[in-house]
Amino acid sequence: AQSVTQLDSHVSVSEGTPVLLRCNYSSSYSPSLFWYVQHPNKGLQLLLKYTSAATLVKGINGFEAEFKKSETSFHLTKPSAHMSDAAEYFCVVSLSGGYNKLIFGAGTRLAVHP
Amino acid sequence: GAGVSQSPSNKVTEKGKDVELRCDPISGHTALYWYRQSLGQGLEFLIYFQGNSAPDKSGLPSDRFSAERTGGSVSTLTIQRTQQEDSAVYLCASSLESRNNEQFFGPGTRLTVL
Repeated sequence: AQSVTQLDSHVSVSEGTPVLLRCNYSSSYSPSLFWYVQHPNKGLQLLLKYTSAATLVKGINGFEAEFKKSETSFHLTKPSAHMSDAAEYFCVVSLSGGYNKLIFGAGTRLAVHP
Repeated sequence: GAGVSQSPSNKVTEKGKDVELRCDPISGHTALYWYRQSLGQGLEFLIYFQGNSAPDKSGLPSDRFSAERTGGSVSTLTIQRTQQEDSAVYLCASSLESRNNEQFFGPGTRLTVL
C-alpha cells in the first residue's frame, strides 16, 4: 500500500536561511509524488509534482524536491526562507491506477522567524 | 469564478441533524474528489467521481455519508444524523482528467457538530 511519512511535524527557521522538509514514501509502484502547501484559511495549493521524469523537480516560489528511489525520499527544499513561506506543507503520494487518489502525509508546519 | 468553490464556508449543526455540503468544480473538469481534514485523522480521501459516476467510495467513513454529482458538475456531500466526530473541514478538488493531473482544491467547508 502507498503511504507517506513526514518526519517533522514542526520546523522553525529564520528568514533567509535554508528550508528542509523531509518526506519518505512507501509504494509498490513507481509513484507520483506531490508537495502541497496550505496557508492559514486558504485552500491547498500544488507546489510541485514528480511523475517519473526528472528526479529534481522545481516548483513555485523557489521550492524544489529531489526524488531518491534508493532512499525512498522526496524532501522539499528552498535555499532561502521568506516570511510568506510560513504555512503547512503536505507530502502526497498518488495511488497508481485509473485515477489520481491522493494519500496525504500528516503535514509539517513551517514557522519562519525574522 | 475560475476556481473550485464550496458552500457553505462554515456550518454549525446539532448532533443528529442532516447536513449538505456543496462543491462547484472548475468548468470542464471531469474528475471530482472529496477529502476530509480533521485534527485526529489528517487529510483523508472520501470519494471520487468521474463524470456522474463514483467508481471509488472507499473512503466514506460510514453509511451516514453519501455523495452525488449531477450534470458532470456540481457535487453534494450529505451527512445524515451527524455525530461530533464528523466535525472537520471537508475539501473538494477537481481535475481536468482522472489520471496524473493536478487537483485544484476548494477552500473547504468547516463543519462543527455540537
